[in-house]
Amino acid sequence: GAGVSQSPSNKVTEKGKDVELRCDPISGHTALYWYRQSLGQGLEFLIYFQGNSAPDKSGLPSDRFSAERTGGSVSTLTIQRTQQEDSAVYLCASRKGGNNQPQHFGDGTRLSIL
Amino acid sequence: AQSVTQPDIHITVSEGASLELRCNYSYGATPYLFWYVQSPGQGLQLLLKYFSGDTLVQGIKGFEAEFKRSQSSFNLRNPSVHWSDAAEYFCAVGAGPGGYNKLIFGAGTRLAVHP
Repeated sequence: GAGVSQSPSNKVTEKGKDVELRCDPISGHTALYWYRQSLGQGLEFLIYFQGNSAPDKSGLPSDRFSAERTGGSVSTLTIQRTQQEDSAVYLCASRKGGNNQPQHFGDGTRLSIL
Repeated sequence: AQSVTQPDIHITVSEGASLELRCNYSYGATPYLFWYVQSPGQGLQLLLKYFSGDTLVQGIKGFEAEFKRSQSSFNLRNPSVHWSDAAEYFCAVGAGPGGYNKLIFGAGTRLAVHP
């Protein structure tokens, strides 16, 4: 079946602009995650959505970062007033409900801030 | 705080040789442990996972890993590496209240395979 889909695959933007990154999870997966992969910091958890519960935002690095998940499916990660240190690969993952299920990752969005 | 350590940043092996990638974790409760592999420009692919039960787990592509609670380790092994196994390998622990939600990753080990 279809995997986790992320768009765009690459995004280049100027410092100070806002960007939106999109994630389509695997159908039927109730949990959705965003991670950031950068050279200096490795793979970092950003935010987690589970069903209708309040999201776990504990990994968001600043208030310039936000995410929403509409209708329990598609998610958008928004970065406002981008900075050069935001350059990274942003990975989305989804998971079926239950603790015995692994996370499945998309191919990521490579974000470059000029 | 939970953490994962992968001591080896780079490893080079010859094709057909055996491989062991090390992973140590720090986590207070029973850990949920994972190995993922990432090829250039790709996302993370799950190789195998440990939740409970048999401490030797089999994964895809001929990989296996052994959970050793006494050593807080979850090392990944392959008895005969193929050139296509060249990639970056990440060990992760699932953390969070009531089980696991987010993953905490190690820094990764980049594997090169010589013909």
